[in-house]
Amino acid sequence: SQQGEEDPQALSIQEGENATMNCSYKTSINNLQWYRQNSGRGLVHLILIRSNEREKHSGRLRVTLDTSKKSSSLLITASRAADTASYFCATDMYSGGGADGLTFGKGTHLIIQP
Amino acid sequence: NAGVTQTPKFQVLKTGQSMTLQCAQDMNHEYMSWYRQDPGMGLRLIHYSVGAGITDQGEVPNGYNVSRSTTEDFPLRLLSAAPSQTSVYFCASSQDRGLITEAFFGQGTRLTVV
Repeated sequence: SQQGEEDPQALSIQEGENATMNCSYKTSINNLQWYRQNSGRGLVHLILIRSNEREKHSGRLRVTLDTSKKSSSLLITASRAADTASYFCATDMYSGGGADGLTFGKGTHLIIQP
Repeated sequence: NAGVTQTPKFQVLKTGQSMTLQCAQDMNHEYMSWYRQDPGMGLRLIHYSVGAGITDQGEVPNGYNVSRSTTEDFPLRLLSAAPSQTSVYFCASSQDRGLITEAFFGQGTRLTVV
């Protein structure tokens, strides 16, 4: 079953504005990752935040993590047309002997209007 | 750098046919995995491998087989294709099973079963 759920499902903003998307998850995690997927392409890793971190920055990206609320947010500042893509949060999943894989949410589809 | 390479990019199968989706990585990663992506469902883990000779089932393994004879290759076999297996398939690799590092994804194989 899917762990992460992104919100909103779709977001349309003007170029230059900031875009914020949220992710909620159900069980305890070791880390949370955000990925971007351009239409028809594979996923590209954006940023990883560990469970003992609260905030992380990478260029125009800012990720926060609130383990008490089991939620994370991804902020993209000064958006560009090239940021148009789907964004997924992913958490590690375990079944006893170590990590089995990543569990993904359904994604937020971001459209940047020129 | 090639990264993760998947072939073919597109495939149409008839119900009952079998085929193998190929995945190769050149980063010497121990951990490899297969996901399927369906509209509105995000990515779901099919099978994964933590090293040559070791494979295990993910969330949705039925109808698929995998093997890992080398570190580089992780093929996914559809034994008897069904329309429910129409999907986009992604192969991913990462440095270790702990998944504390990013996952690298291939470009995907779009499979249609008629």
